[in-house]
Amino acid sequence: SQKIEQNSEALNIQEGKTATLTCNYTNYSPAYLQWYRQDPGRGPVFLLLIRENEKEKRKERLKVTFDTTLKQSLFHITASQPADSATYLCALVPSYNQGGKLIFGQGTELSVKP
Amino acid sequence: GAGVSQSPRYKVAKRGQDVALRCDPISGHVSLFWYQQALGQGPEFLTYFQNEAQLDKSGLPSDRFFAERPEGSVSTLKIQRTQQEDSAVYLCASSLEQGGYGYTFGSGTRLTVV
Repeated sequence: SQKIEQNSEALNIQEGKTATLTCNYTNYSPAYLQWYRQDPGRGPVFLLLIRENEKEKRKERLKVTFDTTLKQSLFHITASQPADSATYLCALVPSYNQGGKLIFGQGTELSVKP
Repeated sequence: GAGVSQSPRYKVAKRGQDVALRCDPISGHVSLFWYQQALGQGPEFLTYFQNEAQLDKSGLPSDRFFAERPEGSVSTLKIQRTQQEDSAVYLCASSLEQGGYGYTFGSGTRLTVV
């Protein structure tokens, strides 16, 4: 069956460290993969998109990698801050002909302690 | 407007009541999506519009759910004869074009069926 999985356990790290979140998928050949941040009571906020032919994408303190062989994406936040505490969602578009429909993982909650 | 606007923000419905949830996407955004999010889970796809055409409604859980976007801008998600399992946050998202772009989500409507 098709699955997209993220660490179900919350990730707790110290301020200044690098947070690494994992997204694994099964039985998809995604055209691209996206990462979103979600705060309590709010909708997801788009962070980064990476295409199937890209291995890495960076934006300020954020870095995303995409390994289509391992069927995995890693999301890194360097020099983490308490303000980075939120739930992070990965989402993929199953294929180019599915109209951009996103399939989401269940999210990983990140807590950055001062 | 500057973002995706959803109303009402909260809705309490008695079981069996019909409800209508409204989404105002970003002006000019062609693609519009509805998602359902249960507590502690990622958003689950319901349906997708490109302009006024409903291109994918594969995620609608039953024929009690109906969505429309008659003029290609504002969209309404209607749930008839609500049941307790319909309690969730309903998120609307819009995107400039299909695929290849991040989505802008609204803050959602929290529906509680009692």
